[in-house]
Amino acid sequence: DIQMTQSPSSLSASVGDRVTITCRASQSISRYLNWYQQKPGKAPNLLIYVASTLQSGVPSRFSGSGSGTDFTLTISSLQPEDFATYYCQQSYNTPPTFGPGTKVDVK
Amino acid sequence: EVQLVESGGGLVQPGRSLRLSCAASGLNFDDYAMHWVRQAPGKGLEWVSGISWNSGGMGYADSVKGRFTISRDNAKNSLYLQMNSLRPEDTAVYFCAKSKLQYSGFEEYNWFDSWGQGTLVTVSS
Repeated sequence: DIQMTQSPSSLSASVGDRVTITCRASQSISRYLNWYQQKPGKAPNLLIYVASTLQSGVPSRFSGSGSGTDFTLTISSLQPEDFATYYCQQSYNTPPTFGPGTKVDVK
Repeated sequence: EVQLVESGGGLVQPGRSLRLSCAASGLNFDDYAMHWVRQAPGKGLEWVSGISWNSGGMGYADSVKGRFTISRDNAKNSLYLQMNSLRPEDTAVYFCAKSKLQYSGFEEYNWFDSWGQGTLVTVSS
């Protein structure tokens, strides 16, 4: 199975901050990388697919980049509704695997 | 608007069985592969199982292989997960999720673009 890691595991930030989350795959996955946001007690919500394509309805302050083994999710200006946990997920092969998550909370 | 509604969760003793259901609406259900993803309390997301649009292909996580069976009824717009020989480590919220495919040349990309609200399964004596 492809192992996904994320860093940091948590971070504290303020509204308006630029936030960057890193995801690394244990082998090359080309651009088979998706990002999800999850708020407590809720289902995950797709943010970005194929490494950098913004899902319809997702604010443009979210962006993704990377290919191969290293990927990033960037929030250009953190908003109050962005405090949540973020997961990356590879779809290069089965089983699809998720990173352990990055919790973004209030500084 | 796509809606996925899970049901069937609850408290069950180790070794017993449970069947989860996911009712889909707002989509051509038989156009899409469907999946179950679970989340243990306070933990991350774990893919459990997936099934192709026509039930021709199924996959399972090693942790549930031989114990869980995924199925679907396209006439009823429903997805199921039969869970046998349940273990305490199966305790989790179980989400059903719809996957979306995109082809680009020889590449076949996919992602989970719609999720249900989840149903809690607790395995405990």
